[in-house]
Amino acid sequence: AVQLTQSPSSLSASIGDRVTMTCRASQAIDTALAWYQQRPGKAPTLLIYDASTLETGVASRFSGSGSGTAFTLTISGLQPGDLATYYCHQFSGYPLTFGPGTKVDLK
Amino acid sequence: QVTLRESGPALVKPTQTLTLTCTFSGFSLDTSGLSVAWIRQPPGKALEWLVRIDWDDNKEYSSSLKTRLTISKDTSRNLVVLSLANVDPLDTATYFCARIQGMVTDFWGQGTLVTVSS
Repeated sequence: AVQLTQSPSSLSASIGDRVTMTCRASQAIDTALAWYQQRPGKAPTLLIYDASTLETGVASRFSGSGSGTAFTLTISGLQPGDLATYYCHQFSGYPLTFGPGTKVDLK
Repeated sequence: QVTLRESGPALVKPTQTLTLTCTFSGFSLDTSGLSVAWIRQPPGKALEWLVRIDWDDNKEYSSSLKTRLTISKDTSRNLVVLSLANVDPLDTATYFCARIQGMVTDFWGQGTLVTVSS
């Protein structure tokens, strides 16, 4: 199974900051990666798929990059509603897997 | 508008079989390329992918839970049923169903918390 690791596990940032987090796969997955945002007590919502494609309706301050084994999610200008946990998810092969998450909170 | 909603018992005893239903609208599971998956999340922990069923009834299971999981669909009623046999307190989690388009999980239900306890 493809294992995903995320770093950092948590980060503190101020409103307006540029925030970057990474996801690494244990083997190459091309661009078969998605990013989800999960606010406390809520279901995850899709932000990015195919590593860099912004889901319809998602704010343009979110961007994704990478391929192979290393991926990045960037929030350009953190907003209060962005305080959440972010998960990467690979859909290259079964079993599908999720990363352990990066929690973003307020500094 | 795509919506999914999970339903089932909130409390299950150890060794019992947990059965959850995902009722959805806004799409049909007889459409090529569409699937429904189940994902769970233990309290305070990360997401765990469990199983998916495709429009053509193909199924893919988590390696670690394959022997305990069963998934089925009723296309005419727009629902998918998940069964997890021989539950243990470690199966306590919020269970989500979600739509998959191609390989991308794009819409999720709100989730249902299931506690396994005697």
